[in-house]
Amino acid sequence: KQEVTQIPAALSVPEGENLVLNCSFTDSAIYNLQWFRQDPGKGLTSLLLIQSSQREQTSGRLNASLDKSSGRSTLYIAASQPGDSATYLCAVVMDSNYQLIWGAGTKLIIKP
Amino acid sequence: DGGITQSPKYLFRKEGQNVTLSCEQNLNHDAMYWYRQDPGQGLRLIYYSQIVNDFQKGDIAEGYSVSREKKESFPLTVTSAQKNPTAFYLCASSTSGMSSYNSPLHFGNGTRLTVT
Repeated sequence: KQEVTQIPAALSVPEGENLVLNCSFTDSAIYNLQWFRQDPGKGLTSLLLIQSSQREQTSGRLNASLDKSSGRSTLYIAASQPGDSATYLCAVVMDSNYQLIWGAGTKLIIKP
Repeated sequence: DGGITQSPKYLFRKEGQNVTLSCEQNLNHDAMYWYRQDPGQGLRLIYYSQIVNDFQKGDIAEGYSVSREKKESFPLTVTSAQKNPTAFYLCASSTSGMSSYNSPLHFGNGTRLTVT
């Protein structure tokens, strides 16, 4: 059974720092991996989608990498800003049934 | 602007009452989903629908029911049979079938249900 883990559950860093959020999964038979952002009390916004054949995707200050063989993905945020404060969730789409399996998220706080 | 509207934002009910959460989308998406979010856990799929008049159970369908009579609408009813209904409920949609494949999910802003 696929399990998606995001550690740490919470992270606080000063403004301006580059940071990395982690996502690990136990079953490498994935179709793609997706990163989302959730602001408090709101829905989720899609940030990046990486196909299983890809190694990384970039959007602005965000860069997501995927290492399928080791079951890991990272979300790199450059030059962090207070507006980046949110919960970041990763999810994998399974190859077998296209089911989406979610991590519990990392709550990120950027201190001004 | 296209998007997904969930209403109400907050909902309070007494135990034993059924309650219906609204989800409407104007994105012309075929697929719609209902997720439940609890603190410290990943999202869990309640029901999904890939096309009008068709829907399937997700991982935690017990105590919930849905309908899909129109493409734009996918209401969720939380019945009195749901043992622990207090949670944050998220509706989502996508252009293609189950779990979006390569098309990202679009989410509403959620409904926080409190049952006492």
